[in-house]
Amino acid sequence: TAGITQAPTSQILAAGRSMTLRCTQDMRHNAMYWYRQDLGLGLRLIHYSNTAGTTGKGEVPDGYSVSRANTDDFPLTLASAVPSQTSVYFCASSDFATYHSDEQFFGPGTRLTVL
Amino acid sequence: DAKTTQPPSMDCAEGRAANLPCNHSTISGNEYVYWYRQIHSQGPQYIIHGLKNNETNEMASLIITEDRKSSTLILPHATLRDTAVYYCIVRVDNNQGGKLIFGQGTELSVKP
Repeated sequence: TAGITQAPTSQILAAGRSMTLRCTQDMRHNAMYWYRQDLGLGLRLIHYSNTAGTTGKGEVPDGYSVSRANTDDFPLTLASAVPSQTSVYFCASSDFATYHSDEQFFGPGTRLTVL
Repeated sequence: DAKTTQPPSMDCAEGRAANLPCNHSTISGNEYVYWYRQIHSQGPQYIIHGLKNNETNEMASLIITEDRKSSTLILPHATLRDTAVYYCIVRVDNNQGGKLIFGQGTELSVKP
């Protein structure tokens, strides 16, 4: 199985433009997450979804939106990108209901540069 | 969730045990200790977790003190591929989404 895939691998985006970062998992995990990682700040949670049809805000949700129409996909949208959103974005999933553990599986990341 | 404190960096000789400490003095009774690592340019990888008993898996061992205020991750025979940033995280397993709070972690360098 592929686990978690993210697309694109990297992107350069003009400020003010919109973009959707894609995340797909094939493990049928119920929970999915989006993190951003900036140098010196570690990983910070942007949004999460405990199950299809529900989403919640993390530590740094402003400027981002998510949707969870089905179990497998959890896209992250930047409606109007700003340079401070330059970062590496990681998607993750977990299935605490089945495994009684918060072992999160992470994707390879998307490197986004906003100019 | 409780805050954790880790040394910013550590070195270890290849083939020796790497012992990574973590302080979590404000941990509460229902908070678990999780360890993840992140190899350069990759996504974080789960290693192990525990509540109060010591745990061991194919990757590592987790030793939690009796008062649960600190823990140690042990890589028994470190290899060059174990060079990574190691994150200690405490969180409640409350059947809700896992909102992991990553700190700065410990940058482990395994040297030949």
